Amino acid sequence: AQTVTQSQPEMSVQEAETVTLSCTYDTSESDYYLFWYKQPPSRQMILVIRQEAYKQQNATENRFSVNFQKAAKSFSLKISDSQLGDAAMYFCAYRTGNEKLTFGTGTRLTIIP
Amino acid sequence: DTGVSQNPRHKITKRGQNVTFRCDPISEHNRLYWYRQTLGQGPEFLTYFQNEAQLEKSRLLSDRFSAERPKGSFSTLEIQRTEQGDSAMYLCASSSTQGYQETQYFGPGTRLLVL
Repeated sequence: AQTVTQSQPEMSVQEAETVTLSCTYDTSESDYYLFWYKQPPSRQMILVIRQEAYKQQNATENRFSVNFQKAAKSFSLKISDSQLGDAAMYFCAYRTGNEKLTFGTGTRLTIIP
Repeated sequence: DTGVSQNPRHKITKRGQNVTFRCDPISEHNRLYWYRQTLGQGPEFLTYFQNEAQLEKSRLLSDRFSAERPKGSFSTLEIQRTEQGDSAMYLCASSSTQGYQETQYFGPGTRLLVL
């Protein structure tokens, strides 16, 4: 069974600084997708960034970028120039094909003004 | 397009009662997923539909749970004879299999409290 592990239950960062959230996963599949979702206190899950496993280039979306290490089964999220609105629970998730998402337990990110 | 909507947003019920939740997906999305999220945990998959067909059910979905998507549009999730352990946030997501970027978009969830 696929598993997703987020080893940092909580992280904090000063506003305008950079923070990296860690995620590892376990799979025997070669073709899959990885995601970072953000869940603010209002609790609606929002997609932050996605990565296709077949792509060697790391995905980037504005201030958000990933470090995808396929051999190590590692998928970390880097948030640059942290803003107060980035405060949320961040979930790493895995999916094969067009099927269900498997989530980690989340990292609560606090932004310090 | 207003995104995925869920009703009600909150539900308080007594143990043993039946409850039903509704999810309206993004209009052109043919896939619909249900997840359950308990406090401090990530969402866990319950079931999903492609159009009106229910393609997979998790072992978490006991026989007290039933989900339908009768016309391939909105979906309902019913829990019969609720138990305190059913207290959780129930999340719905939808996606489209058109094109290769099949991303799941989530609704705001229905928070269930069983007393």
